[in-house]
Amino acid sequence: QSALTQPASVSGSPGQAITISCTGTSSDVGAYNLVSWYQHHPGKAPKLIIYAVTERPSGISNRFSGSKSGNTASLTISGLQSEDEADYFCCSFADGHSFEVFGGGTKLTVL
Amino acid sequence: QVHLQQWGAGLLKPSETLSLTCNVFGASFSNYYWAWIRQPPGEGLEYVGQIDHFGSTNYNPSLKSRVTISIETSKKQFSLKLSSVTAADRAVYYCARVVSTYFYMDVWDKGTTVTVSS
Repeated sequence: QSALTQPASVSGSPGQAITISCTGTSSDVGAYNLVSWYQHHPGKAPKLIIYAVTERPSGISNRFSGSKSGNTASLTISGLQSEDEADYFCCSFADGHSFEVFGGGTKLTVL
Repeated sequence: QVHLQQWGAGLLKPSETLSLTCNVFGASFSNYYWAWIRQPPGEGLEYVGQIDHFGSTNYNPSLKSRVTISIETSKKQFSLKLSSVTAADRAVYYCARVVSTYFYMDVWDKGTTVTVSS
């Protein structure tokens, strides 16, 4: 069982926006602004899309955005495109562990 | 362009030692952590451990008794050894670079599938 809770799947039509939640505790997501999000196409290397809750690495589309409220972080993808279809997982630094914990991953289907 | 490439045995028998090495291309080792992360079939990702360029390590407590991560900066590589493997250690193993200021992984390799079977 993953430390962080994500929905198993979400779906949306091209052009729509979707949001993926990532729920942790006051010892991880709620304690630090150290949440990151990754896009993973099976068989390929995971790709960083958000770090420090809201920051986008260079080269990542501004269609991807992150936020946090309390113990829940969220990833929003606007203007859905077919190439966004992938697995998405969240990650947070965890107090008391001194390492990162992960969500179980969410499969995004673009209808 | 920084990239990582790992190699090692993908099929093990129970009680054997898993051994994987990750080569680092296009980056220095300082100012980062270098991590191993795994994903069992149908499950989420699990942090295995990480090392810095001084050789200081941090391991997942659930694996700590069986894990050793080492680094050879001259060879531009870091390695994972996991002893006494069982079927529960079957997973895709990833190596990754961790940006230490914000604890995120900015570079990953494609992963290696490790199977444990008698």
